[in-house]
Amino acid sequence: DQQVKQNSPSLSVQEGRISILNCDYTNSMFDYFLWYKKYPAEGPTFLISISSIKDKNEDGRFTVFLNKSAKHLSLHIVPSQPGDSAVYFCAASAGGSGNTGKLIFGQGTTLQVKP
Amino acid sequence: AAGVIQSPRHLIKEKRETATLKCYPIPRHDTVYWYQQGPGQDPQFLISFYEKMQSDKGSIPDRFSAQQFSDYHSELNMSSLELGDSALYFCASSLGSGNTIYFGEGSWLTVV
Repeated sequence: DQQVKQNSPSLSVQEGRISILNCDYTNSMFDYFLWYKKYPAEGPTFLISISSIKDKNEDGRFTVFLNKSAKHLSLHIVPSQPGDSAVYFCAASAGGSGNTGKLIFGQGTTLQVKP
Repeated sequence: AAGVIQSPRHLIKEKRETATLKCYPIPRHDTVYWYQQGPGQDPQFLISFYEKMQSDKGSIPDRFSAQQFSDYHSELNMSSLELGDSALYFCASSLGSGNTIYFGEGSWLTVV
């Protein structure tokens, strides 16, 4: 049962354009969402996060949008750069007492930014 | 800034052997997580520790065990290794739960 889903395995965009990576979740207990970037044979690198009390969080070229009613979040990268080419993982954790903060990951989306 | 340190980075073992992976969390982080990522898969949660006590358990085989020591480093022990255990093992740490989790570079385990 995949609680966090990234339905697009890959995405290709032109340098300078916007990259939009999508993520859906099923568990309504999730209240904290993160995006990680990963290169082959390296650990996931934290990019940006959002708490369920917000619907938008921005950090430089990266913006994450959260639509709680639709259980959907997206990561926007503007402008996209060739160095952004990597696998992007969406992850979620559940809050509340007794929750340990463990992350549930999506399957990942491979982003290719073409020069 | 100091990150999560994992060792060894690469490990080759034969079937039925034992392997131990080590993880040193970011200084002052008290929570450690272990994840397993097989080829073409997303990272799967194995086990976590908070203040040296196991805090959560995921899809960790009974052949595996882990602990967190007084200096907060953690070790993942894997026995009776199987070919299917070949994967990238990530350790991650955070300051308490509900905060951002930072990952190490991973340890590649190959079982032959």
